[in-house]
Order: sequence, then C-alpha cells, then structure tokens
Amino acid sequence: AQSVTQPDIHITVSEGASLELRCNYSYGATPYLFWYVQSPGQGLQLLLKYFSGDTLVQGIKGFEAEFKRSQSSFNLRKPSVHWSDAAEYFCAVGARQTGFQKLVFGTGTRLLVSP
Amino acid sequence: DAGVTQSPTHLIKTRGQQVTLRCSPKSGHDTVSWYQQALGQGPQFIFQYYEEEERQRGNFPDRFSGHQFPNYSSELNVNALLLGDSALYLCASSSRTDSPLHFGNGTRLTVT
Repeated sequence: AQSVTQPDIHITVSEGASLELRCNYSYGATPYLFWYVQSPGQGLQLLLKYFSGDTLVQGIKGFEAEFKRSQSSFNLRKPSVHWSDAAEYFCAVGARQTGFQKLVFGTGTRLLVSP
Repeated sequence: DAGVTQSPTHLIKTRGQQVTLRCSPKSGHDTVSWYQQALGQGPQFIFQYYEEEERQRGNFPDRFSGHQFPNYSSELNVNALLLGDSALYLCASSSRTDSPLHFGNGTRLTVT
C-alpha cells in the first residue's frame, strides 16, 4: 500500500524568499504524484502532477516539483513566495493499477508567509 | 465552466441520524470520487463511482454508501452517524481526457 510523509507541519517563509516543501512517498513501483493546495474553507486545487517522463515538472502559480526515485521524494519548490501563497499544501500518491482517483494524501504542510 | 459543486456547504446532525451529501461533477467528467478530511488531516479516499457503479472503495465501514446517477452526479450517504464522522467531505471528478482530480469546496458535516 502507498503512503505519504510530509515531515513539516508548519513552515514560515518571508515574502520573496524561496520555498521548498518536502514529500516522501512509499510505493513499490513508479507512482502517480500530485501536489494540491487548500485555502481555508476551500477544496483542493491541483498545483502539478507527475505521471512519467521528465522528472522536473512545472505547475501553476510558479511552482515546480522534482521526482527523485532514489530518494522516494517529490519536493515542491517556488523561487519567490508571495503572501497569497499562504495555505495548506498536500502531497498525494496514486498507484498505477488503481488509477489517480484513489489517492493517498499526506497530512499537509501549512505555509505561513511573513512580510 | 462550472467546476465541481457540492451541497449543502454546511450541515449539523445528531448522533444516530442519517445524512445525504450531493455532488455535481465538472462538465465533461464522468467519474466521481468522495474523500473525508478530518480536522488537521489530509483527505482520505472513501469510494469512486463510474458508470453508476462503485469501482473502488477505501477503508470505510458499510455505513458509508453512495450512488451515481445517469447524469454523473453523485450522492454520499452516511447512516448511524458517529461523532467521529464530523469532517469536511470532498467530492472530486475526473474523466479519461481530463485526468487529474478536480475537487469541490466540500460539505462541512458536524455531528453533535
């Protein structure tokens, strides 16, 4: 069975500074990988996804993530954080045999942006 | 283009009661999945519906059941509510040509 670990519960970053959110997954084969963002009282919005191919994927709002098979990681990065990026970020993994509808999510990382 | 819509947005129920939550998928989507998000946790997969049948199910008891209608909309039913069922219930839709899940804003269920 798949699992996801997001080791950082909270992260505070100054506006304009770079950001990296960590995600480690457990799965025996090449997974589907996703990053979603959730603002308070809202549903989840897809930032980016990895299915196959290039291990560096670009997403919306200037985010990118890199799939590292050897480290079982899929860390999310942004070169310059904006105050509007403050939200909860979830990493998720899906198995190829069950598809991307049945995802396993991490517990999330809350991003705080300081002025 | 309407996204995934869920109703109601908030709901308060008493232990032992039954509840029905509703979801309309994004236009063009034919698959609906339901997730439960407890406070401070990530979403957990409940089940997925496609062609009006339950295709996959997560680790949830039979008190949780669902339905998908010919127009692809879906319902989530929870019987014999427990305090622990209090959560944000998220509906997500997808299709073969638009693969990632698109989530609605959820229904906040409070069981007292």
